[in-house]
Amino acid sequence: AQSVTQLGSHVSVSEGALVLLRCNYSSSVPPYLFWYVQYPNQGLQLLLKYTTGATLVKGINGFEAEFKKSETSFHLTKPSAHMSDAAEYFCAVRVPFGNEKLTFGTGTRLTIIP
Amino acid sequence: EAQVTQNPRYLITVTGKKLTVTCSQNMNHEYMSWYRQDPGLGLRQIYYSMNVEVTDKGDVPEGYKVSRKEKRNFPLILESPSPNQTSLYFCASSSGLAGLGESGELFFGEGSRLTVL
Repeated sequence: AQSVTQLGSHVSVSEGALVLLRCNYSSSVPPYLFWYVQYPNQGLQLLLKYTTGATLVKGINGFEAEFKKSETSFHLTKPSAHMSDAAEYFCAVRVPFGNEKLTFGTGTRLTIIP
Repeated sequence: EAQVTQNPRYLITVTGKKLTVTCSQNMNHEYMSWYRQDPGLGLRQIYYSMNVEVTDKGDVPEGYKVSRKEKRNFPLILESPSPNQTSLYFCASSSGLAGLGESGELFFGEGSRLTVL
């Protein structure tokens, strides 16, 4: 069965600083990987996804993530944090040709310090 | 506009009073799923449906029922709600099987916050 671990339930960064949110996964087959963002009182919105091909994927709002098979990681980064980035971020894994289940990490709440 | 619609968005009820949370999608998606979100636990899958009349349990199905009589609708039923079912519930859908030319991206509704007293 697949699983996801997000290191750090809360991360604080200063406005303009690098954002790094960590995600490690476990899967018996090459997985599909996703980052979702949840703003207060809203549903989840897809930030970016990795399926196959290029291991560095770019998403919305300037975020990107790199799939590293050797490290079983899919960390999310953004070069310069903006106040509007404050939200909760979820990493998720899905196994191709499986039962379609999307398994989520426990989430990381990102706070931006002015 | 492509969307997943849940109702009600907010509900306060009492223990044992049956309730249904509706979910409807207008994207002709075959796959639909229900998740609950609790602090520190992330999102956990309750039930899912691969197609009409095909449903199966997720990780936390106890106390819930679902049905899939039409492709667009996937209601979540709490026959006898208990306080431990107080949570934020999300319905989601996707177009196809991950790996068959599809990424399996899930589209989420805006959530239904349920409080059981």
